Amino acid sequence: DAKTTQPTSMDCAEGRAANLPCNHSTISGNEYVYWYRQIHSQGPQYIIHGLKNNETNEMASLIITEDRKSSTLILPHATLRDTAVYYCIVRLSLRQGAQKLVFGQGTRLTINP
Amino acid sequence: GAVVSQHPSWVICKSGTSVKIECRSLDFQATTMFWYRQFPKQSLMLMATSNEGSKATYEQGVEKDKFLINHASLTLSTLTVTSAHPEDSSFYICSARDLRALPGLASDTQYFGPGTRLTVL
Repeated sequence: DAKTTQPTSMDCAEGRAANLPCNHSTISGNEYVYWYRQIHSQGPQYIIHGLKNNETNEMASLIITEDRKSSTLILPHATLRDTAVYYCIVRLSLRQGAQKLVFGQGTRLTINP
Repeated sequence: GAVVSQHPSWVICKSGTSVKIECRSLDFQATTMFWYRQFPKQSLMLMATSNEGSKATYEQGVEKDKFLINHASLTLSTLTVTSAHPEDSSFYICSARDLRALPGLASDTQYFGPGTRLTVL
């Protein structure tokens, strides 16, 4: 099972781009990289996911290295509401129909005014 | 789309009572739902995988007789904490698996409910 490594905490100024790194050196070819975030006392919120190519949606961009051993989540213009714990997850593939997410400790991102 | 609700959002109960928590997928059908538990300042821990129409699959160390899971329909899963004790006080979160994004392929997305805070006195 692929494991991810993230920095414990990061700070970013409001309005700047927040770049959150994640290492997943043991990822296998058919495993996806998912990003979720959890604002205090709420359920996790899906942000984005990808397999090989870079992905972008209305919330963020996901940059995956060519060897797929690491990725970076980019919040292009961070706001105070982006303060949260961000989880990088490599999805375990158990069997068809049952694919669970294993949460690590994540990165606590603080956006400063 | 892909909204998951939980009810109640918080509950306080006396030790020894049972508490039922509901998880609903509001705008999609979910054959698979997941139940997590989160203690203060810790990450989410998967408790069990709930499959519609069949028995739940519990993670190692989770007592199936204490945490009863029922997934009777494609939009509803319930978690019942039986004979709750203070050590069961926690934040319980469910997620539902949405297959609509890429039907027929391995990629799918789980969406989470807002969580239920259980306090056992």
